[in-house]
Amino acid sequence: KQEVTQIPAALSVPEGENLVLNCSFTDSAIYNLQWFRQDPGKGLTSLLLIQSSQREQTSGRLNASLDKSSGRSTLYIAASQPGDSATYLCAVLGAGNNRKLIWGLGTSLAVNP
Amino acid sequence: EAEVAQSPRYKITEKSQAVAFWCDPISGHATLYWYRQILGQGPELLVQFQDESVVDDSQLPKDRFSAERLKGVDSTLKIQPAELGDSAMYLCASSHGRTVNTGELFFGEGSRLTVL
Repeated sequence: KQEVTQIPAALSVPEGENLVLNCSFTDSAIYNLQWFRQDPGKGLTSLLLIQSSQREQTSGRLNASLDKSSGRSTLYIAASQPGDSATYLCAVLGAGNNRKLIWGLGTSLAVNP
Repeated sequence: EAEVAQSPRYKITEKSQAVAFWCDPISGHATLYWYRQILGQGPELLVQFQDESVVDDSQLPKDRFSAERLKGVDSTLKIQPAELGDSAMYLCASSHGRTVNTGELFFGEGSRLTVL
């Protein structure tokens, strides 16, 4: 059974710092992994999607990597800004017939001015 | 930019009342999902549609919850009767779900339900 863990649960950093959020999963048979951002009381915004055949994806100041063999993904945020403050969730879509999306509990990020 | 539309954004109701949420996915998206998210937790899948057919409703409390997507486009999620424990954010998402499908999910803004 796939389990997804995100560490740390909460993170507070000063503005301008580069930071890494971690997502680990127990079953490497995945179709893709997706990172989302959620602002308080809002829906989820898709940030980056990494297919199982890919190693990384980049969008602006965000870079997500995927290492299936070790069951890990990282979301790197460069030059953090107060507007990056939100909860970041990762979700893993199973491969084959088990196309279920399994979610982590998220990392709550606070970027302090 | 295409987006998933949901309404209402906020709903306050008393327990035992009926509640309904509506979702209009991105045009052309065959797969539609209803999720429930309790504060501080990850989303929990309630029901997944492929076109008008339910493909997964294993976590849907069928004694009080129902969902339909009659024409394979927009969808309605209903709760009757509402209970205090139903207070949560109800999220709708869609994905392309056709031959060329990255599996990427797109979410609406959600419907926040408070049951008093």
